[in-house]
Amino acid sequence: NAGVTQTPKFQVLKTGQSMTLQCAQDMNHEYMSWYRQDPGMGLRLIHYSVGAGITDQGEVPNGYNVSRSTTEDFPLRLLSAAPSQTSVYFCASSYAGPHQPQHFGDGTRLSIL
Amino acid sequence: AQTVTQSQPEMSVQEAETVTLSCTYDTSESNYYLFWYKQPPSRQMILVIRQEAYKQQNATENRFSVNFQKAAKSFSLKISDSQLGDTAMYFCAFMKHVLEDSNYQLIWGAGTKLIIKP
Repeated sequence: NAGVTQTPKFQVLKTGQSMTLQCAQDMNHEYMSWYRQDPGMGLRLIHYSVGAGITDQGEVPNGYNVSRSTTEDFPLRLLSAAPSQTSVYFCASSYAGPHQPQHFGDGTRLSIL
Repeated sequence: AQTVTQSQPEMSVQEAETVTLSCTYDTSESNYYLFWYKQPPSRQMILVIRQEAYKQQNATENRFSVNFQKAAKSFSLKISDSQLGDTAMYFCAFMKHVLEDSNYQLIWGAGTKLIIKP
């Protein structure tokens, strides 16, 4: 069982570059989400999706885009990377919403120089 | 706005001891969910325990149990017979009841780093 797969695990970008963090799940979960984790802080929700074709903003959406064309995939796009986006990013999924147990990926450590 | 506070940034105990991690939250809602998630050094987040506010009975999962005090807005996690593998960051999280709000968001505390010493 693959669960939630995130790629890449590590990435270094220069300010202004764009990139896409990939997230895929094979559990047929409707709910998927992206969080960022910064030192000394709890996870903060960036964007989430309750099903294919439906996305919504979380607590810290600025500078990020998402799309959900299939149930399995939920990529996160950084439009123009900034040093403030240096963080660890986690993708998570659950059957119907975060009120149910969420399955997390291993995270992507992203550094913006 | 809801907030979640974990007042203990770091704790350490000897293996086999019992440890309690604190979590308080602020909400005006009467129906909601509370969670404890564990993040070991491997970084992957794992659900430890889940509580629905309307349930009076405290949730229990093997060595993990909670003390849910709704009036005090407190949701502490007790780990009995602690093991080396329990070493991790522990996060408390809150979510309003789904039926009352279609805003599907968890609010997270800052975490408590728990170290189990051999």
